[in-house]
Amino acid sequence: NAGVTQTPKFQVLKTGQSMTLQCAQDMNHEYMSWYRQDPGMGLRLIHYSVGAGITDQGEVPNGYNVSRSTTEDFPLRLLSAAPSQTSVYFCASSYWEGLRYEQYFGPGTRLTVT
Amino acid sequence: SQKIEQNSEALNIQEGKTATLTCNYTNYSPAYLQWYRQDPGRGPVFLLLIRENEKEKRKERLKVTFDTTLKQSLFHITASQPADSATYLCALDIPRGYGQNFVFGPGTRLSVLP
Repeated sequence: NAGVTQTPKFQVLKTGQSMTLQCAQDMNHEYMSWYRQDPGMGLRLIHYSVGAGITDQGEVPNGYNVSRSTTEDFPLRLLSAAPSQTSVYFCASSYWEGLRYEQYFGPGTRLTVT
Repeated sequence: SQKIEQNSEALNIQEGKTATLTCNYTNYSPAYLQWYRQDPGRGPVFLLLIRENEKEKRKERLKVTFDTTLKQSLFHITASQPADSATYLCALDIPRGYGQNFVFGPGTRLSVLP
């Protein structure tokens, strides 16, 4: 299993540009999430999904869109990039099995908006 | 709003000693609490989950306690090794939308000195 994969690893955007961060998992997990990580602030939830066709907003959703057409893929779209979106973005997939819960993270995408 | 604090931004200890990291929270009563390890440039890796009705959980050299009265979790690494050097994150579950999601603390960077 590849686990959770993210592309690209690094990206530089100009203010106002749009782009899509890709995330895929091969563990057949229903739950997937997008986080951003900024120095001193911990991971903050942007959007999440509990299955194909079902998404919801997290703590910091403004400026981002998601969709979930398959179990495997959960892309994050930046509509019009702003310098405040400079961050490291992590995708995660997770499952609940009885009393067990684990969340698996991808390697991250480091985004700089100039 | 929910607030999570981790005892210090950085902690240095000598190899062989026990490292103790603290996670304090306010304004919520989580049913679950998780600990993750994060190495530089990589995504977090799940270590342990503890439930509100569990006082303590162990996994190899790791021990987690959960005191819902004090609103605190302690994370211990016994017989610490330089390979344990990393940032450790705690996360609390909160009910949101379609289910539960986790809110992360800012992390504590642990350095184990040989």
